[in-house]
Amino acid sequence: GQQVMQIPQYQHVQEGEDFTTYCNSSTTLSNIQWYKQRPGGHPVFLIQLVKSGEVKKQKRLTFQFGEAKKNSSLHITATQTTDVGTYFCAGNPIQGAQKLVFGQGTRLTINP
Amino acid sequence: DAEITQSPRHKITETGRQVTLACHQTWNHNNMFWYRQDLGHGLRLIHYSYGVHDTNKGEVSDGYSVSRSNTEDLPLTLESAASSQTSVYFCASSDHTYNEQFFGPGTRLTVL
Repeated sequence: GQQVMQIPQYQHVQEGEDFTTYCNSSTTLSNIQWYKQRPGGHPVFLIQLVKSGEVKKQKRLTFQFGEAKKNSSLHITATQTTDVGTYFCAGNPIQGAQKLVFGQGTRLTINP
Repeated sequence: DAEITQSPRHKITETGRQVTLACHQTWNHNNMFWYRQDLGHGLRLIHYSYGVHDTNKGEVSDGYSVSRSNTEDLPLTLESAASSQTSVYFCASSDHTYNEQFFGPGTRLTVL
């Protein structure tokens, strides 16, 4: 069935360093979403990408959707302690469908 | 303000018992989802519903059931709890237009 793989599983950085997590789908996606889960919390929606090659920015966060709509990435520039948490990508394989297939997540920890 | 709530927040039960986890949303969303979260597996879809009286199996539905008698609620029932069902359970909802999922705070279930 549909699989969404996310790497790395864990990433530890020094505060101020950059961070990137990658997401790859076994099939073409209609769109992809990104969520952040703080330690002890619940996933919170960050963004949705729909178009092939789309790039969106939210302050220090840059999200990309691959040309083939099978991969995506989240890049954080100059990490801050508030960025700590687990970042999930979630793919929507079928246009118009509402359910998502989540990646395993990348847990980001930061040394202040 | 609209919200999505889950109860109980923590539950300890014994193997073989029936357990029901509640999920209630006031967003008036048609779509509701149940996930379980385990280390290394991310969020895995258990069951989902696109409207009243509609229910569908997700990727890990064995041992679980749901029913949708109104828009606001999607209770998750473990028919006969097993230790393998020890996990954190999240409920989420979304509407057809935006597809962004709003998550509840989660229920931590321990099966002894």
